[in-house]
Amino acid sequence: DGGITQSPKYLFRKEGQNVTLSCEQNLNHDAMYWYRQDPGQGLRLIYYSQIVNDFQKGDIAEGYSVSREKKESFPLTVTSAQKNPTAFYLCASRKGDPYNEQFFGPGTRLTVL
Amino acid sequence: QQQVKQSPQSLIVQKGGIPIINCAYENTAFDYFPWYQQFPGKGPALLIAIRPDVSEKKEGRFTISFNKSAKQFSLHIMDSQPGDSATYFCAAPPGTYKYIFGTGTRLKVLA
Repeated sequence: DGGITQSPKYLFRKEGQNVTLSCEQNLNHDAMYWYRQDPGQGLRLIYYSQIVNDFQKGDIAEGYSVSREKKESFPLTVTSAQKNPTAFYLCASRKGDPYNEQFFGPGTRLTVL
Repeated sequence: QQQVKQSPQSLIVQKGGIPIINCAYENTAFDYFPWYQQFPGKGPALLIAIRPDVSEKKEGRFTISFNKSAKQFSLHIMDSQPGDSATYFCAAPPGTYKYIFGTGTRLKVLA
């Protein structure tokens, strides 16, 4: 089955530690995205990538980093510089055409202890 | 920073009622407006989307109406069911590769 996988589903981190969230897609989509979801604030774009080895900052990129070495993979690192990292993180992908559906993964819930 | 204003924030209706969720946008690069449905602990999934060549689109019990001059679009859920209880997000594309999402509407349909 084609789709997007995110791992882990739940992640706990101590303050001051970096942590990497995994996102893999087998839909052959060019564009991939990372969103952060907080209660009452909807989906906020962290980073997005249109093609391999290229990515752009979204609206809330501070304290996060990404890489896009393979078309299928777009990992997100939450660094210690992110002041309030506890949130639900969603990865998504889409074919380049803006009229195409954007597919979301199941999400990773990150909690900082 | 562009915004998509979504209202109401939450909505409670009786089974069979017709909840209506509204969104207003500032500017878009492409006239394509999707609605996503999200259940607790899950990722959002596309529910229905509209292009500007029509002012209304219907899929089953879900209808989008679009007013280009007012820069507004709405989601109507006919004969709502308890299984429709979820959070709904509208979105608008300010550029080729990006969406701006509304803040979401939490819908509860009472049995």
